[in-house]
Amino acid sequence: AQSVSQHNHHVILSEAASLELGCNYSYGGTVNLFWYVQYPGQHLQLLLKYFSGDPLVKGIKGFEAEFIKSKFSFNLRKPSVQWSDTAEYFCAVNARYGGATNKLIFGTGTLLAVQP
Amino acid sequence: SQTIHQWPATLVQPVGSPLSLECTVEGTSNPNLYWYRQAAGRGLQLLFYSVGIGQISSEVPQNLSASRPQDRQFILSSKKLLLSDSGFYLCAWSIHEGSENGYTFGSGTRLTVV
Repeated sequence: AQSVSQHNHHVILSEAASLELGCNYSYGGTVNLFWYVQYPGQHLQLLLKYFSGDPLVKGIKGFEAEFIKSKFSFNLRKPSVQWSDTAEYFCAVNARYGGATNKLIFGTGTLLAVQP
Repeated sequence: SQTIHQWPATLVQPVGSPLSLECTVEGTSNPNLYWYRQAAGRGLQLLFYSVGIGQISSEVPQNLSASRPQDRQFILSSKKLLLSDSGFYLCAWSIHEGSENGYTFGSGTRLTVV
């Protein structure tokens, strides 16, 4: 079964600082990888995803993530954060050939607070 | 376009009372449906998923049950709530067999058992 680890539970940054949130997964097969974001009081929404091709994927609002297969990692990055990036970030994985169930397994989340 | 509705938004229930949370999806047919619980510091825990009417799979043993009486309706229930059932419950849907498409989430229900 898949599992996902997010190493940073709370991150506090000043505006314009660079961001990197770690995500590692455990699964022996081929996976799809996702980052979701939950802004205060809002729905969980998809930030970006990787399922094939270029391992460096770009998402909304200037975020990007790099899939490093040898490290089982999918770290999220942003060169310069803004106060509006304050949110909780979740990494998630599912098995590419998991059939009809399409179950997403989530990490424990990272709470990012950006100070103006 | 597809939308997902979840209600109520907040709920305060006494211990031992029953529970029914409802989730409906519009604009798609034969979706996969999911119930997650979000607890602080524990991420999103998958509780149940369904790939069709009447087909429910449970991921973790617990005091809750789920049902899918119609194609686009997913209900989370309990006969007697426990204090430990408090949490934030999220419903989600995905395309059947489309593993790279991720999920669309509802707005969630904050349940407090007192």
